[in-house]
Amino acid sequence: EAQVTQNPRYLITVTGKKLTVTCSQNMNHEYMSWYRQDPGLGLRQIYYSMNVEVTDKGDVPEGYKVSRKEKRNFPLILESPSPNQTSLYFCASSTGPRYEQYFGPGTRLTVT
Amino acid sequence: QKEVEQDPGPLSVPEGAIVSLNCTYSNSAFQYFMWYRQYSRKGPELLMYTYSSGNKEDGRFTAQVDKSSKYISLFIRDSQPSDSATYLCAMSPNTGNQFYFGTGTSLTVIP
Repeated sequence: EAQVTQNPRYLITVTGKKLTVTCSQNMNHEYMSWYRQDPGLGLRQIYYSMNVEVTDKGDVPEGYKVSRKEKRNFPLILESPSPNQTSLYFCASSTGPRYEQYFGPGTRLTVT
Repeated sequence: QKEVEQDPGPLSVPEGAIVSLNCTYSNSAFQYFMWYRQYSRKGPELLMYTYSSGNKEDGRFTAQVDKSSKYISLFIRDSQPSDSATYLCAMSPNTGNQFYFGTGTSLTVIP
């Protein structure tokens, strides 16, 4: 089954404790993306990757890091999480930035 | 000014009604327009995809793009309770690699 998986689905952590949210897709897509979704602000792109070792900032990259060492994986790293990073995070993949994006199930992160 | 503006609603309609959802945008370079549907506690799923201007129909759903007005619409005919969800417009320019979403409109169809 074609899918995008994210782990963990729910995470509660404390300020400053480094965390990684994993994302994996099995569709051989080149383009992968991370979004955060907040009430009233919608989905905002954090980082995207056009292919292995090619990443670039979206609209809200501050406080986040990404890496793309393998085509199928695109982890999101929060080196020092802060409460304003409490949000619902989605990973997505696509054949390109102008085509249908397939979304993962989401990761609800709470930073206290 | 946001790149994409969308009325968040909420919108509540009786079953069988015609629903109209809209977005406006500011970037004239946008060429690819999409509507996603997001059920509660799920990721968005693509509903309609349109390139440049014009209409596209798929069953009960019609997407319209008016590039001269920088305005896109999604119409849902004979709305069903299963259509209750948040609808997000999304768009992408012809060049560049970013993707832009509206804030989403919450729709409830009452049986």
